[in-house]
Amino acid sequence: DAGVIQSPRHEVTEMGQEVTLRCKPISGHDYLFWYRQTMMRGLELLIYFNNNVPIDDSGMPEDRFSAKMPNASFSTLKIQPSEPRDSAVYFCASSPTGLAGGYEQYFGPGTRLTVT
Amino acid sequence: QKEVEQDPGPLSVPEGAIVSLNCTYSNSAFQYFMWYRQYSRKGPELLMYTYSSGNKEDGRFTAQVDKSSKYISLFIRDSQPSDSATYLCAMRPYTGGGNKLTFGTGTQLKVEL
Repeated sequence: DAGVIQSPRHEVTEMGQEVTLRCKPISGHDYLFWYRQTMMRGLELLIYFNNNVPIDDSGMPEDRFSAKMPNASFSTLKIQPSEPRDSAVYFCASSPTGLAGGYEQYFGPGTRLTVT
Repeated sequence: QKEVEQDPGPLSVPEGAIVSLNCTYSNSAFQYFMWYRQYSRKGPELLMYTYSSGNKEDGRFTAQVDKSSKYISLFIRDSQPSDSATYLCAMRPYTGGGNKLTFGTGTQLKVEL
Protein backbone atom coordinates (compact mmCIF):
# COMPACT_ATOMS: atom_id res chain seq x y z
CA ASP A 1 0.00 0.00 0.00
CA ALA A 2 1.17 3.54 -0.74
CA GLY A 3 0.39 4.78 2.75
CA VAL A 4 -1.77 7.76 3.58
CA ILE A 5 -1.83 10.22 0.70
CA GLN A 6 -2.39 13.92 1.21
CA SER A 7 -2.69 16.73 -1.30
CA PRO A 8 -1.55 19.33 -1.86
CA ARG A 9 1.80 19.09 -0.05
CA HIS A 10 2.11 22.86 0.09
CA GLU A 11 -0.55 25.52 -0.13
CA VAL A 12 -0.05 29.27 -0.06
CA THR A 13 -3.18 31.37 -0.12
CA GLU A 14 -4.39 34.81 0.77
CA MET A 15 -6.52 35.61 3.76
CA GLY A 16 -10.19 35.15 3.02
CA GLN A 17 -9.74 32.45 0.41
CA GLU A 18 -11.18 28.95 0.67
CA VAL A 19 -8.71 26.14 1.24
CA THR A 20 -9.43 22.44 0.69
CA LEU A 21 -7.08 19.75 1.93
CA ARG A 22 -7.47 16.19 0.73
CA CYS A 23 -6.67 12.79 2.19
CA LYS A 24 -6.76 9.21 1.00
CA PRO A 25 -6.44 6.78 3.92
CA ILE A 26 -4.86 3.35 3.80
CA SER A 27 -7.26 0.82 2.30
CA GLY A 28 -9.07 -1.17 4.97
CA HIS A 29 -8.55 1.36 7.74
CA ASP A 30 -11.85 2.39 9.28
CA TYR A 31 -10.62 5.36 11.35
CA LEU A 32 -9.49 8.65 9.86
CA PHE A 33 -8.04 11.58 11.80
CA TRP A 34 -7.27 15.20 10.92
CA TYR A 35 -4.57 16.97 12.95
CA ARG A 36 -3.00 20.39 12.93
CA GLN A 37 0.60 20.91 14.06
CA THR A 38 2.24 24.17 15.09
CA MET A 39 5.36 24.93 17.09
CA MET A 40 3.33 26.61 19.80
CA ARG A 41 0.53 24.07 20.25
CA GLY A 42 2.05 20.84 18.99
CA LEU A 43 -0.15 18.20 17.37
CA GLU A 44 -3.85 18.94 17.85
CA LEU A 45 -6.65 16.57 16.89
CA LEU A 46 -9.28 18.42 14.89
CA ILE A 47 -11.78 15.68 14.04
CA TYR A 48 -11.95 11.95 13.53
CA PHE A 49 -14.20 9.61 11.60
CA ASN A 50 -15.13 5.97 12.07
CA ASN A 51 -16.57 4.17 9.06
CA ASN A 52 -17.02 7.55 7.33
CA VAL A 53 -19.07 8.98 10.22
CA PRO A 54 -17.71 11.95 12.21
CA ILE A 55 -17.30 10.84 15.81
CA ASP A 56 -15.61 13.73 17.57
CA ASP A 57 -15.23 17.21 16.12
CA SER A 58 -14.58 18.97 19.41
CA GLY A 59 -11.13 20.00 18.23
CA MET A 60 -12.38 21.94 15.23
CA PRO A 61 -11.42 25.50 16.16
CA GLU A 62 -14.46 27.29 14.75
CA ASP A 63 -17.17 27.23 12.13
CA ARG A 64 -14.72 28.20 9.43
CA PHE A 65 -13.45 24.62 9.53
CA SER A 66 -15.42 21.70 8.13
CA ALA A 67 -14.55 18.11 7.27
CA LYS A 68 -16.25 15.45 5.22
CA MET A 69 -15.69 11.82 4.41
CA PRO A 70 -18.00 10.88 1.54
CA ASN A 71 -16.56 7.38 1.23
CA ALA A 72 -13.98 5.09 2.79
CA SER A 73 -11.18 6.25 0.52
CA PHE A 74 -11.46 10.02 0.62
CA SER A 75 -11.76 12.87 3.09
CA THR A 76 -11.53 16.65 2.88
CA LEU A 77 -10.79 19.40 5.37
CA LYS A 78 -12.03 22.80 4.29
CA ILE A 79 -11.25 26.21 5.72
CA GLN A 80 -13.49 29.05 4.60
CA PRO A 81 -12.53 31.85 4.92
CA SER A 82 -8.88 31.25 5.75
CA GLU A 83 -6.95 33.46 8.18
CA PRO A 84 -3.19 33.88 8.83
CA ARG A 85 -3.53 32.09 12.16
CA ASP A 86 -4.58 28.95 10.27
CA SER A 87 -1.02 28.64 8.97
CA ALA A 88 0.22 25.23 10.13
CA VAL A 89 0.98 21.72 8.94
CA TYR A 90 -2.17 19.64 8.60
CA PHE A 91 -1.85 15.88 8.91
CA CYS A 92 -4.26 13.15 8.02
CA ALA A 93 -3.85 9.77 9.71
CA SER A 94 -5.68 6.48 9.45
CA SER A 95 -5.95 3.49 11.73
CA PRO A 96 -7.43 0.02 11.65
CA THR A 97 -9.56 -1.37 14.45
CA GLY A 98 -7.27 -3.66 16.42
CA LEU A 99 -7.80 -6.16 19.18
CA ALA A 100 -8.26 -3.46 21.80
CA GLY A 101 -9.38 -0.71 19.47
CA GLY A 102 -5.97 -0.24 17.91
CA TYR A 103 -3.07 1.94 18.93
CA GLU A 104 -1.13 2.76 15.81
CA GLN A 105 -2.05 5.64 13.58
CA TYR A 106 -0.43 5.94 10.17
CA PHE A 107 0.26 9.53 9.23
CA GLY A 108 0.42 11.12 5.82
CA PRO A 109 3.22 13.51 4.81
CA GLY A 110 1.16 16.55 5.74
CA THR A 111 0.03 19.70 3.97
CA ARG A 112 1.98 22.84 4.83
CA LEU A 113 -0.52 25.70 4.72
CA THR A 114 0.56 29.32 4.64
CA VAL A 115 -2.11 32.02 4.73
CA THR A 116 -0.81 35.51 3.95
CA GLN B 1 -3.35 22.00 32.36
CA LYS B 2 -2.81 19.61 29.48
CA GLU B 3 -3.54 15.91 29.90
CA VAL B 4 -0.04 15.08 28.64
CA GLU B 5 3.02 17.20 29.37
CA GLN B 6 6.29 16.90 27.51
CA ASP B 7 9.39 19.08 27.62
CA PRO B 8 9.77 20.58 24.13
CA GLY B 9 13.56 20.80 24.28
CA PRO B 10 15.52 21.18 22.12
CA LEU B 11 17.84 18.54 23.51
CA SER B 12 21.33 18.33 22.05
CA VAL B 13 23.63 15.38 22.84
CA PRO B 14 26.89 14.00 21.44
CA GLU B 15 26.89 10.83 19.38
CA GLY B 16 26.95 7.74 21.58
CA ALA B 17 25.20 9.37 24.53
CA ILE B 18 22.26 7.85 26.36
CA VAL B 19 19.14 9.93 25.83
CA SER B 20 16.18 10.08 28.18
CA LEU B 21 12.87 11.50 26.97
CA ASN B 22 9.92 11.82 29.31
CA CYS B 23 6.21 12.57 29.54
CA THR B 24 3.85 13.00 32.43
CA TYR B 25 0.10 12.60 32.25
CA SER B 26 -2.92 13.19 34.42
CA ASN B 27 -5.58 10.77 33.10
CA SER B 28 -5.41 7.52 35.08
CA ALA B 29 -7.52 5.78 32.41
CA PHE B 30 -4.59 5.76 29.97
CA GLN B 31 -3.43 2.20 29.40
CA TYR B 32 -1.63 2.24 26.03
CA PHE B 33 1.52 4.32 25.79
CA MET B 34 3.30 5.05 22.55
CA TRP B 35 6.31 6.89 21.25
CA TYR B 36 6.23 8.40 17.79
CA ARG B 37 9.25 9.72 15.93
CA GLN B 38 8.91 12.61 13.51
CA TYR B 39 11.67 13.60 11.15
CA SER B 40 11.76 17.14 9.83
CA ARG B 41 8.99 17.80 7.29
CA LYS B 42 7.57 14.28 7.67
CA GLY B 43 4.58 12.77 9.44
CA PRO B 44 5.02 11.01 12.80
CA GLU B 45 5.77 7.29 12.72
CA LEU B 46 5.17 4.80 15.54
CA LEU B 47 8.43 3.84 17.22
CA MET B 48 7.31 1.77 20.20
CA TYR B 49 4.27 1.04 22.29
CA THR B 50 3.67 -0.50 25.70
CA TYR B 51 0.55 -1.64 27.45
CA SER B 52 0.07 -0.72 31.11
CA SER B 53 3.19 -0.61 33.29
CA GLY B 54 6.63 -2.04 32.74
CA ASN B 55 9.50 -1.92 30.31
CA LYS B 56 9.84 -2.81 26.66
CA GLU B 57 13.08 -3.00 24.74
CA ASP B 58 13.64 -2.84 20.99
CA GLY B 59 17.25 -2.63 19.92
CA ARG B 60 18.72 0.62 21.22
CA PHE B 61 15.32 1.84 22.42
CA THR B 62 13.67 1.13 25.79
CA ALA B 63 10.23 2.36 26.79
CA GLN B 64 9.27 2.52 30.45
CA VAL B 65 5.89 3.18 32.03
CA ASP B 66 5.33 4.00 35.69
CA LYS B 67 1.59 4.26 36.12
CA SER B 68 1.81 4.96 39.84
CA SER B 69 3.70 8.17 39.05
CA LYS B 70 1.91 8.78 35.74
CA TYR B 71 5.29 9.01 34.06
CA ILE B 72 6.65 7.44 30.89
CA SER B 73 10.14 7.44 29.46
CA LEU B 74 11.97 6.56 26.28
CA PHE B 75 15.67 5.75 26.51
CA ILE B 76 17.94 5.72 23.49
CA ARG B 77 21.31 4.01 23.92
CA ASP B 78 24.33 4.72 21.75
CA SER B 79 22.52 7.62 20.10
CA GLN B 80 23.25 8.25 16.42
CA PRO B 81 22.89 11.36 14.25
CA SER B 82 20.07 9.50 12.47
CA ASP B 83 18.12 9.63 15.77
CA SER B 84 17.84 13.41 15.38
CA ALA B 85 14.10 14.01 15.23
CA THR B 86 11.14 15.12 17.31
CA TYR B 87 9.82 12.44 19.66
CA LEU B 88 6.14 12.56 20.62
CA CYS B 89 4.57 10.51 23.36
CA ALA B 90 0.97 9.43 22.88
CA MET B 91 -1.50 7.52 25.00
CA ARG B 92 -5.05 6.22 25.11
CA PRO B 93 -7.40 4.28 27.38
CA TYR B 94 -7.87 0.51 26.91
CA THR B 95 -11.37 1.00 25.59
CA GLY B 96 -13.53 3.94 24.76
CA GLY B 97 -12.69 7.02 22.73
CA GLY B 98 -12.36 5.06 19.52
CA ASN B 99 -8.76 5.02 18.37
CA LYS B 100 -8.24 8.58 19.58
CA LEU B 101 -4.75 9.27 20.92
CA THR B 102 -3.67 12.10 23.19
CA PHE B 103 -0.26 13.41 22.14
CA GLY B 104 2.42 15.33 23.98
CA THR B 105 3.83 18.37 22.24
CA GLY B 106 7.05 16.55 21.32
CA THR B 107 10.73 16.85 22.31
CA GLN B 108 13.18 17.91 19.62
CA LEU B 109 16.39 15.85 19.78
CA LYS B 110 19.64 16.58 17.99
CA VAL B 111 22.51 14.09 18.09
CA GLU B 112 25.74 15.74 17.08
CA LEU B 113 28.87 14.13 15.63
